[in-house]
Amino acid sequence: EDKVVQSPLSLVVHEGDTVTLNCSYEVTNFRSLLWYKQEKKAPTFLFMLTSSGIEKKSGRLSSILDKKELFSILNITATQTGDSAVYLCAVKYNAGNMLTFGGGTRLMVKP
Amino acid sequence: GAGVSQSPRYKVAKRGQDVALRCDPISGHVSLFWYQQALGQGPEFLTYFQNEAQLDKSGLPSDRFFAERPEGSVSTLKIQRTQQEDSAVYLCASSSMERGRGSRNEQFFGPGTRLTVL
Repeated sequence: EDKVVQSPLSLVVHEGDTVTLNCSYEVTNFRSLLWYKQEKKAPTFLFMLTSSGIEKKSGRLSSILDKKELFSILNITATQTGDSAVYLCAVKYNAGNMLTFGGGTRLMVKP
Repeated sequence: GAGVSQSPRYKVAKRGQDVALRCDPISGHVSLFWYQQALGQGPEFLTYFQNEAQLDKSGLPSDRFFAERPEGSVSTLKIQRTQQEDSAVYLCASSSMERGRGSRNEQFFGPGTRLTVL
């Protein structure tokens, strides 16, 4: 059965810490992997990854995909309280355009 | 509009009632998706439209769930005879992607409708 698994389920850190969130997947005909940040409302897009080994970076956030080992990581450096959210990983596969999501990682950053 | 909008933002229904949830996608977006997000879980796919055509409804959990997008813009998700297990946030997303044209365009999500069935 196709699936997307995120770890850890939740994480509590202090401001300034660096965190690494994990997403592993098992799907047929993988096409792309996306990361979203969800606070109390709409998931907001962070990154889309399609190629292995190419890091995508936006400010303190970065992400990379390993298509051989079937996982991606999302790194956040120098965390701030505003980074507190649920981080969702999703995969597109086969011919469809729908996203299959993992269960999310809930990150809490304490001052 | 500036983004995807959904209404109502919150809906409380008594078990057995019918509900209708509305989604206004970003203007010009071809693709529209509905997802169901239970508390503490990731969103799960329900159904997908390309323009007015419903191309995939494999995620609809039962025949009580029905979605339409008659003019290829606004979409409505209807749930008949609601049950407690229908309680969730219903997210709508749109993208400019057309099916089979690759996977470059991300989906933009609305704020969701939180449905509580008592």
